[in-house]
Amino acid sequence: AQTVTQSQPEMSVQEAETVTLSCTYDTSESNYYLFWYKQPPSRQMILVIRQEAYKQQNATENRFSVNFQKAAKSFSLKISDSQLGDTAMYFCAFMNGLGAGNMLTFGGGTRLMVKP
Amino acid sequence: GAVVSQHPSRVICKSGTSVKIECRSLDFQATTMFWYRQFPKKSLMLMATSNEGSKATYEQGVEKDKFLINHASLTLSTLTVTSAHPEDSSFYICSARAYGQAYYNEQFFGPGTRLTVL
Repeated sequence: AQTVTQSQPEMSVQEAETVTLSCTYDTSESNYYLFWYKQPPSRQMILVIRQEAYKQQNATENRFSVNFQKAAKSFSLKISDSQLGDTAMYFCAFMNGLGAGNMLTFGGGTRLMVKP
Repeated sequence: GAVVSQHPSRVICKSGTSVKIECRSLDFQATTMFWYRQFPKKSLMLMATSNEGSKATYEQGVEKDKFLINHASLTLSTLTVTSAHPEDSSFYICSARAYGQAYYNEQFFGPGTRLTVL
């Protein structure tokens, strides 16, 4: 079974600064996908960024980027130029392939507070 | 992106009654939907995988007779909490797999349903 660990229950950052959220995972699979989801106070889950394990290049989406270290099974999220609207719970998630029934395994989450 | 709705968004019921929560994919067909439970300040816990036209697959420790799942069409899955008790109070979230290159086989999440059992 896969496990996903987020070691930082809470973090804070000043507006416009950069913050990095950590995530490690454990799997014996070779073909998998990693995701970061954001859950703001509305509790709607929003996909922030995804990474395919077979791709060496780190994914980037505007102010969000990842540092994917496959050998170390590490998948951190960097948020640049933090904005107040980035305040939310962030969940790292793992999915084994893209088969119909393949499920997401979530980490415990990191609560990020962006301070003005 | 694809949109998933849930109804109701909030429900309060008396202990012993049953509650049905609907999850709909509004602009795509979903052969697979997932039901999660989330406790306050905690992560999402997968309860079951709902497959259109077949029985749901429940995660270990989830009572099948307590949480009835029906996926009768490609756009609708329902979760019925039978004989609800206060310990069933929680936030329930569904998601749906959207297939095709445009969707990248992504899971899209509903806005959740807050269930309070008195």
